[in-house]
Amino acid sequence: DTGVSQNPRHKITKRGQNVTFRCDPISEHNRLYWYRQTLGQGPEFLTYFQNEAQLEKSRLLSDRFSAERPKGSFSTLEIQRTEQGDSAMYLCASSRDGRGRQYFGPGTRLTVT
Amino acid sequence: GENVEQHPSTLSVQEGDSAVIKCTYSDSASNYFPWYKQELGKGPQLIIDIRSNVGEKKDQRIAVTLNKTAKHFSLHITETQPEDSAVYFCAAGDNDMRFGAGTRLTVKP
Repeated sequence: DTGVSQNPRHKITKRGQNVTFRCDPISEHNRLYWYRQTLGQGPEFLTYFQNEAQLEKSRLLSDRFSAERPKGSFSTLEIQRTEQGDSAMYLCASSRDGRGRQYFGPGTRLTVT
Repeated sequence: GENVEQHPSTLSVQEGDSAVIKCTYSDSASNYFPWYKQELGKGPQLIIDIRSNVGEKKDQRIAVTLNKTAKHFSLHITETQPEDSAVYFCAAGDNDMRFGAGTRLTVKP
């Protein structure tokens, strides 16, 4: 059990560019969650997957955001046409099932210049 | 939807003293309440959690209490140590968890 991993750890991009982040959950964890955390705030829920199915999306997830978990293992979060307001820490978590504890990865810090 | 409020936003204690952080939630249907510790540059680390069928849970120096009627829950850290210094977050819900804004705890040696 190596924990949740996220790549890259840091990403600096220019406004208008597309970025993609990857999350590898703890093995055998069926649920995978994405959160966004801005400075001085708690994580905000974005979306979650049960295996490969995306079951819920927050209203925070605008049309520029898309998440996938094609084989029910790793997940990607893509942001198109990035804006400065997208600058934040993007956190991934996984849990064994719907009643399970969520374990977080180290996050990907995005800076949009 | 769920709304979680957390107090205080900052807390400073002397090493060896106790620290208490309180949270309230709005959705009476919520039944899972975890607490996370986040150190600078790291993701949140689960330190203790409680479900609504239990009023109190303890793990060494850390305890959590839950009052479902009043919709509030608290984190208690006893015999604080400098390494307890971090930001602590409460949360409520299951899949779409809502987090409090965090409490920055400083333990002075």
